[in-house]
Amino acid sequence: GEDVEQSLFLSVREGDSSVINCTYTDSSSTYLYWYKQEPGAGLQLLTYIFSNMDMKQDQRLTVLLNKKDKHLSLRIADTQTGDSAIYFCAGNTNAGKSTFGDGTTLTVKP
Amino acid sequence: EAQVTQNPRYLITVTGKKLTVTCSQNMNHEYMSWYRQDPGLGLRQIYYSMNVEVTDKGDVPEGYKVSRKEKRNFPLILESPSPNQTSLYFCASSSLDTAGGTQYFGPGTRLLVL
Repeated sequence: GEDVEQSLFLSVREGDSSVINCTYTDSSSTYLYWYKQEPGAGLQLLTYIFSNMDMKQDQRLTVLLNKKDKHLSLRIADTQTGDSAIYFCAGNTNAGKSTFGDGTTLTVKP
Repeated sequence: EAQVTQNPRYLITVTGKKLTVTCSQNMNHEYMSWYRQDPGLGLRQIYYSMNVEVTDKGDVPEGYKVSRKEKRNFPLILESPSPNQTSLYFCASSSLDTAGGTQYFGPGTRLLVL
């Protein structure tokens, strides 16, 4: 099955940009996603990118996909303390299999 | 309000006592899935269903059963729970028609097996 790997921790200062990285092994994922999980809560979809796209921008969020290197990144511009959470990248195949990374804990310091 | 509901939200049980965690969605989604979340292991897919009466194993199906008799419900059954099934469980659903197949997650069920 697919492996999805993320760095476990990231700490930034308020107002800086955050970049969370993810690598995956299986190129059959049709869509790649970024989810946010706040303490004690479920997962909330932030954004997704179709596998034939290179970049997607949505307000403060920019997703970059490098298919050759199987690398996905999420950039959060002007990071705020409310952005502190765990961020998961995930891939879905058309057959319904979903694979999530272990999550990156983002800490934003004032 | 569009939502995925799970019950119970918290459950403490003992080894071997059968239990069912219910999951229901009101969005007429075809796809439903169960995950478990453990510290340092992210979310791992247990079972998923592409439609009524269609279920498939995810990455960690051992010790679990599911059924999909109706489109809106996808219960997770632990016939004989063991302590290694102590975890946080999430149900999710999505439409197969929507680009991106965005999954909507329930609030989670925290299970402790003694």
